[in-house]
Amino acid sequence: KAGVTQTPRYLIKTRGQQVTLSCSPISGHRSVSWYQQTPGQGLQFLFEYFSETQRNKGNFPGRFSGRQFSNSRSEMNVSTLELGDSALYLCASSLGDRGNQPQHFGDGTRLSIL
Amino acid sequence: SQQGEEDPQALSIQEGENATMNCSYKTSINNLQWYRQNSGRGLVHLILIRSNEREKHSGRLRVTLDTSKKSSSLLITASRAADTASYFCATDQESPSIQGAQKLVFGQGTRLTINP
Repeated sequence: KAGVTQTPRYLIKTRGQQVTLSCSPISGHRSVSWYQQTPGQGLQFLFEYFSETQRNKGNFPGRFSGRQFSNSRSEMNVSTLELGDSALYLCASSLGDRGNQPQHFGDGTRLSIL
Repeated sequence: SQQGEEDPQALSIQEGENATMNCSYKTSINNLQWYRQNSGRGLVHLILIRSNEREKHSGRLRVTLDTSKKSSSLLITASRAADTASYFCATDQESPSIQGAQKLVFGQGTRLTINP
């Protein structure tokens, strides 16, 4: 079974631009979560989608948004990029039909803001 | 906000020795999970222990959970060079209003180095 796939792996943008990251979950997984990882803040939860609905949200500004499609693939968008948005963005999937499940992570998209 | 805090932040041992990492958390939990992250890669799930369990084993891994002290430990026995990675504990913060909603709160991690 293929793992979680994130594209692109690396991205360089400048301040003020916007970016869209993509995540394909493991086949059959309906829950997709997004995390931001930085050296200073560690791993921070962004949001979780299940059956095309945002089911949970972290403490990030409205510039960070996401969506999930009917095939469970998910995209995350960041608008008006700031230097502090430079991070590794990780996507994780799980069955999502109940709480407390292990999550399966992709290798992330490393976003650099110049 | 960080729920779990790992201790130590970094650990360096010789191959073959045992490695112990600790995690403390602040609020009540339903379960606690441990993950491993190799440099530049995503996280790999290692083990999940439920709040009503005290100890769990998986191969060379042993996890304990003490809910009265709000702490957990991960023991890796007979360490190998391939165990070199960062290890994170994560606690669930299931939304009180939305059944099944997933949210993990991670600690800052322990960076483990196994010297050959």
